Amino acid sequence: DTAVSQTPKYLVTQMGNDKSIKCEQNLGHDTMYWYKQDSKKFLKIMFSYNNKELIINETVPNRFSPKSPDKAHLNLHINSLELGDSAVYFCASSRFRSSLSETQYFGPGTRLLVL
Amino acid sequence: TQLLEQSPQFLSIQEGENLTVYCNSSSVFSSLQWYRQEPGEGPVLLVTVVTGGEVKKLKRLTFQFGDARKDSSLHITAAQTGDTGLYLCAGAQGGSEKLVFGKGTKLTVNP
Repeated sequence: DTAVSQTPKYLVTQMGNDKSIKCEQNLGHDTMYWYKQDSKKFLKIMFSYNNKELIINETVPNRFSPKSPDKAHLNLHINSLELGDSAVYFCASSRFRSSLSETQYFGPGTRLLVL
Repeated sequence: TQLLEQSPQFLSIQEGENLTVYCNSSSVFSSLQWYRQEPGEGPVLLVTVVTGGEVKKLKRLTFQFGDARKDSSLHITAAQTGDTGLYLCAGAQGGSEKLVFGKGTKLTVNP
């Protein structure tokens, strides 16, 4: 009965490769997010989708491309991986798009290590 | 420039002690949230405060939102080993749909 799930949990890959991370939520939420947490634990938003529509796109290299096939899924594809992409990537969801008082439910994270 | 500054960055205390961690900004926030993140897991929401001066209690945890809505504090009474984790504050500014996170306070409660 996992609310927000991500796969894979760990991802070790070589520089230059292309990889995808998948996220699914079974909460019936409208809005999903991708965050990056660096080695110093700083959590920063990358993208947000509401009902499959992109609503937040922070200053992220265009090697990162999110895709939302339906409102329960938000995947993240990364092209030409670089050493600096190593981080923990968290998917999250919330009922609605407003952040003022909405609870965001986070997945367990995907630990990406680029060698 | 970091919008939300959390202090201290690290805190190690003995079980039974009290502690306070802080989340400060020079900007006004419409709401502030506190999350706890345990190793290997995602952050979990503890509380949301929306009114200046608001105080919320969650068992041994007391959260306060500053009168000017620029800062917040989290006070834990009689800390337990289960309180160990990374405490993150996150704020939303009026008109913005994104949450901005602080860098967190890593709390270790020793038995």
